[in-house]
Amino acid sequence: KQEVTQIPAALSVPEGENLVLNCSFTDSAIYNLQWFRQDPGKGLTSLLLIQSSQREQTSGRLNASLDKSSGRSTLYIAASQPGDSATYLCAVMRTGANSKLTFGKGITLSVRP
Amino acid sequence: DVKVTQSSRYLVKRTGEKVFLECVQDMDHENMFWYRQDPGLGLRLIYFSYDVKMKEKGDIPEGYSVSREKKERFSLILESASTNQTSMYLCASSYAYYGYTFGSGTRLTIV
Repeated sequence: KQEVTQIPAALSVPEGENLVLNCSFTDSAIYNLQWFRQDPGKGLTSLLLIQSSQREQTSGRLNASLDKSSGRSTLYIAASQPGDSATYLCAVMRTGANSKLTFGKGITLSVRP
Repeated sequence: DVKVTQSSRYLVKRTGEKVFLECVQDMDHENMFWYRQDPGLGLRLIYFSYDVKMKEKGDIPEGYSVSREKKERFSLILESASTNQTSMYLCASSYAYYGYTFGSGTRLTIV
């Protein structure tokens, strides 16, 4: 059974800092890994999708990497801003899982002005 | 961009009522999903559907049913609402093994 872990559960950083959010998963047989952002009381917004054949994806100040063999992904946020404050979730789609995602519980990020 | 629309942002219903949550997507995705999200428990899959009239139970299907009569619409039904079904409900859709798109969520309160 696939398990996805995100540690720590919460993180507080000063504005302008570069930061890394970690995600680990137990089964390396995956189709893809997806990072989401969730603002309080809202739905999930997709940030980056990495297919299993890829090593990283970039969008603006965000860069996500994937190391399947070690079961790890990182989301790098450059020059953090207060508007980046949200909960960040990673999710993996395991092969043979009928397109179902397994989610981590998320990291709640607070960027202090 | 794919759009997933959930019919209500906030909903208050009474115990014992039959409750319908509607979800519509506009990009011809074959897969649709219903999750509930609770503090400390994360997202839990209730039901999913991989084609019209096809459905499969997720991790917590008890007390719920679903309907998918048309490809674009996936409805979640609470047969007899109970207070422990108070939660945030999230709908998502996807194509094959590509990424998910989520709706904005429905905050359901059962009183």
